[in-house]
Amino acid sequence: EVQLVQSGAEVKKPGESLRISCKGSGYSFTNYWITWVRQMPGKGLEWMGRIDPSDSSTNYSPSFQGHVTISADKSISTAYLQWSSLKASDTAIYYCARHGGYSAYDSVDYWGQGTLVTVSS
Amino acid sequence: EIVLTQSPGTLSLSPGERATLSCRASHSVNSAYFAWYQQKPGQAPRLLIYGASNRATGIPDRFSGSGSGTDFTLTISRLEPEDFAVYYCQQYGRDFGQGTKVEIK
Repeated sequence: EVQLVQSGAEVKKPGESLRISCKGSGYSFTNYWITWVRQMPGKGLEWMGRIDPSDSSTNYSPSFQGHVTISADKSISTAYLQWSSLKASDTAIYYCARHGGYSAYDSVDYWGQGTLVTVSS
Repeated sequence: EIVLTQSPGTLSLSPGERATLSCRASHSVNSAYFAWYQQKPGQAPRLLIYGASNRATGIPDRFSGSGSGTDFTLTISRLEPEDFAVYYCQQYGRDFGQGTKVEIK
């Protein structure tokens, strides 16, 4: 069974750093791109970027380029999303999801449960 | 960058009625890379339709997708109580539309 299990909720202060994780299981982790999606409170889905776990190549949305870093460790089938300096506006649920085919353009077919990040002083 | 615009923003219907949701792209999209998702409160999104018209695994046949180029449609033939949710379109596995909320009238 394909599963993406994300790390737990985080409460941070502005300016702090953070890395959240997404562990894949039940499939060959290096064969499928992983995407990250933000959902701010009461708002829609925003695509942040994606990574090919086989070689860690990445694509970012212009809206998030330079603000977050997406990485992966294929040895432990885990993708990461990290911030070096959080802002209150980073408060949101973050989802990881697996692209359904071998192409980065394919739709995402499996989703993690989401990680709630709260940034508040 | 391709922008996806969904309409209407909210659709108020009764169970058993037909729902027609629209997604318009600012530039032509390859149908093979167009998808629809459903999201219920407190849940992660779920893939409904991929390749513009293919139902994902386990999706009931009352859901259907159509369209090409810049205009795509998601149709729910007869709304069931569990279908009241927010629906998003997506292109090239990246940008989403702003969503259409299907609510009980």
